[in-house]
Amino acid sequence: GAGVSQSPSNKVTEKGKDVELRCDPISGHTALYWYRQSLGQGLEFLIYFQGNSAPDKSGLPSDRFSAERTGGSVSTLTIQRTQQEDSAVYLCASSPGQGKYNEQFFGPGTRLTVL
Amino acid sequence: GDSVTQMEGPVTLSEEAFLTINCTYTATGYPSLFWYVQYPGEGLQLLLKATKADDKGSNKGFEATYRKETTSFHLEKGSVQVSDSAVYFCALTHSGGSNYKLTFGKGTLLTVNP
Repeated sequence: GAGVSQSPSNKVTEKGKDVELRCDPISGHTALYWYRQSLGQGLEFLIYFQGNSAPDKSGLPSDRFSAERTGGSVSTLTIQRTQQEDSAVYLCASSPGQGKYNEQFFGPGTRLTVL
Repeated sequence: GDSVTQMEGPVTLSEEAFLTINCTYTATGYPSLFWYVQYPGEGLQLLLKATKADDKGSNKGFEATYRKETTSFHLEKGSVQVSDSAVYFCALTHSGGSNYKLTFGKGTLLTVNP
């Protein structure tokens, strides 16, 4: 079946512009995670969704970052007034849901470059 | 807070050499431990995992044992292949509840030469 998909695969933007990154999780997966992969910081957790709610937003680096999830499926990560330090690969992962540990399946990522 | 420290790369080996990538962690309680692999141009994939002390995770010839006494989860393979060239990430998560966010090490780039 289809895996986690993300779009766009690459995004180049100018400093100060807003960007939206999209994640389509595996159908039926109730848990969704966003991570950021950058040269300086490695792989960092950003936000966790269970269904449409986000009980853990502790990794969002500033109030310029926000995310939502609708219909328990697609999620959008929005970065407002982008800065050069936002340049990174943004990864989305989904997993089946609650209870015992469920493997996270990762998408290919969106490479964001802020000029 | 939780943290994972893994050996700095890059690591360059010849085919059929023995591989060890060290990983140690700091965490409260009893985390689950993982190795993820990122092949060139591909997304992150789970390589192996261990959920309790003394468990051994294994896959594709790779092994790692959860050592609580040394807070370690070192990755080993007896004979590497060129196709093993990738970035390897050690990670942990806490069991319980529904939030299984991963805490990653910084990654180790492995290059295997023929």
